[in-house]
Amino acid sequence: EDKVVQSPLSLVVHEGDTVTLNCSYEVTNFRSLLWYKQEKKAPTFLFMLTSSGIEKKSGRLSSILDKKELSSILNITATQTGDSAIYLCAVSNTGTASKLTFGTGTRLQVTL
Amino acid sequence: GAVVSQHPSRVICKSGTSVKIECRSLDFQATTMFWYRQFPKKSLMLMATSNEGSKATYEQGVEKDKFLINHASLTLSTLTVTSAHPEDSSFYICSASPPWTSGRRQYFGPGTRLTVT
Repeated sequence: EDKVVQSPLSLVVHEGDTVTLNCSYEVTNFRSLLWYKQEKKAPTFLFMLTSSGIEKKSGRLSSILDKKELSSILNITATQTGDSAIYLCAVSNTGTASKLTFGTGTRLQVTL
Repeated sequence: GAVVSQHPSRVICKSGTSVKIECRSLDFQATTMFWYRQFPKKSLMLMATSNEGSKATYEQGVEKDKFLINHASLTLSTLTVTSAHPEDSSFYICSASPPWTSGRRQYFGPGTRLTVT
């Protein structure tokens, strides 16, 4: 059974801080790892990672995959209150098309 | 980008009644859609994979007679919670993967918050 573990479970930081969120996984026939941001409704897509060592970047957010360590990190620099959300990590395998296994999520709160 | 809609966004029903939730892919056809459930402050849990024209595939521990899934067309999947009870209260989210992503990326609907009184 595929498994995804995220840490920390929750985090409170001050605006302007940099945060690193962790995701580790166990999956048979790994296909991709995805990061989502969830505020009050459904998750919104951030990144999809398939290759090890290649950083994906979007504004203040970046992410990288380490297939050897079976893990990924999501970095957020110069955090803003609008970054407060639950960040979800998910993995897919090559077996069933598109099926995702989600981690527990990291609840990030950015305070003034 | 791909758009997935859900209806209703919020529903309150009495214990013992059935509730139907619709999931639509608005600008693409989806042979497969996914139904997730999310409890407060918890992650998404995959309930079932909805397959157009055939039976849904349920995850272990999910009662197929309780959560009926129908995927009658390439743009619509429905989840019916039958004989709902308060413990069925949850946030239900569907997703679908557009063909141009080769199944690599799912787009989520806005979710349906079900409250059973």
